[in-house]
Formats: sequence, structure tokens, C-alpha cells
Amino acid sequence: GEDVEQSLFLSVREGDSSVINCTYTDSSSTYLYWYKQEPGAGLQLLTYIFSNMDMKQDQRLTVLLNKKDKHLSLRIADTQTGDSAIYFCAERGASKIIFGSGTRLSIRP
Amino acid sequence: DVKVTQSSRYLVKRTGEKVFLECVQDMDHENMFWYRQDPGLGLRLIYFSYDVKMKEKGDIPEGYSVSREKKERFSLILESASTNQTSMYLCASSQGTGRTEAYEQYFGPGTRLTVT
Repeated sequence: GEDVEQSLFLSVREGDSSVINCTYTDSSSTYLYWYKQEPGAGLQLLTYIFSNMDMKQDQRLTVLLNKKDKHLSLRIADTQTGDSAIYFCAERGASKIIFGSGTRLSIRP
Repeated sequence: DVKVTQSSRYLVKRTGEKVFLECVQDMDHENMFWYRQDPGLGLRLIYFSYDVKMKEKGDIPEGYSVSREKKERFSLILESASTNQTSMYLCASSQGTGRTEAYEQYFGPGTRLTVT
């Protein structure tokens, strides 16, 4: 069935780049999303990429899509303490959106 | 900006109580969703609605029901709360027509429900 997988935790040093990875199974996915959830809050759409694109850049965020391997990544440049959050990968299949379990990003000083 | 609001941020209820969680969106979205979020399990879809008075079961509907009497409001009902329903409940809405939940979703802040 459809599935989206992410590692649960990532720890990076402040100022370094963070790379959060995600794999998905539905080859018919049209859009892939990254959502951010800050402590005590709901999910906020961070960015998305259409399935016919390889890369999308938005300020400090870079999304890379390898459609052949069904692999999506989110790179955050110059990671700051305000980037501490849970990041959810999600794919839009034919009729539904499937969310991964989320990656908790923590920042070390 | 899309605004999705939920009636309570924190709620404590006793086992066996009937619990209502309310969600309101102000963007005239057709689709509305209820998820629960548990550590390590991510988001699991309980129910969604693609139109007034219409509802579809998600992945974990057991123990829950929903009501959508008006387009902007979607309620989640726990008929008889149990301790295993202690969780964070997230409401979301999206554009879309017909029976699809495939458009990007906008989330409310969540309700943390504790059942004792």
C-alpha cells in the first residue's frame, strides 16, 4: 500500500545544514510536501514540489526529488534555533495525502 | 490567509464521557479532516468530509463519529471516551471538489485531549 517513511530524529549544530530525508511508495504521486510543526502547534505547509521537478529552492530551503528512487529530501541551510520542530513529509496520491511519521529536528549550540 | 480554529487547546475528560471537538475554517474549503497524532505514529486520518453532511471513514474511525452540518464546521465526537483516545487531535481543511482529499491541507493548532 501507500507509505511514506522518515527517520524519527535528527540533531544538527547551529549554523550547519540540516538534511531531512523521506521515501515514498506511490509512483503516481503528483505533489510532495514538507510540513513543519512547532511545539504545541498544528502543521504548517513549508514548501512543496511537483513530481515533474527535480529541485526547488526557496531562501534557506532546498527540496530535492529523485523520482526514480522515490526519495525526497529537505535541506535547511544555516540551521537556526527557530528551525527546531517536527518536519513531516507527505505525498499526494490519486485520491489522498499520506503523511510520514515526522522527523524531530533538534539544534545543538 | 487560511484560518482553521479548534475549540480547545487542552481538554481533560473522564472515561465514558461524551466528548465534542469542534473545528471551524474560514476559507470556504470543501474538504475537512480530523487526524490524531501520536509519538512515532505520525498523523492518522480518522474521518474526512468532502461536503456538508457527507463523511468518509479514514484509517482509524473506530470509537469516533463526525458531524458536518455547515460547510465551515466539522465536529469530531467521541461517544464514550477511553484512555487509549488520549492524543493530539488535529483538524485540517483543503480545497477540492468531489470525493478527494488530495489538495494541500491547512491545519488548526490542535487539541490535546487527556482521558483519565
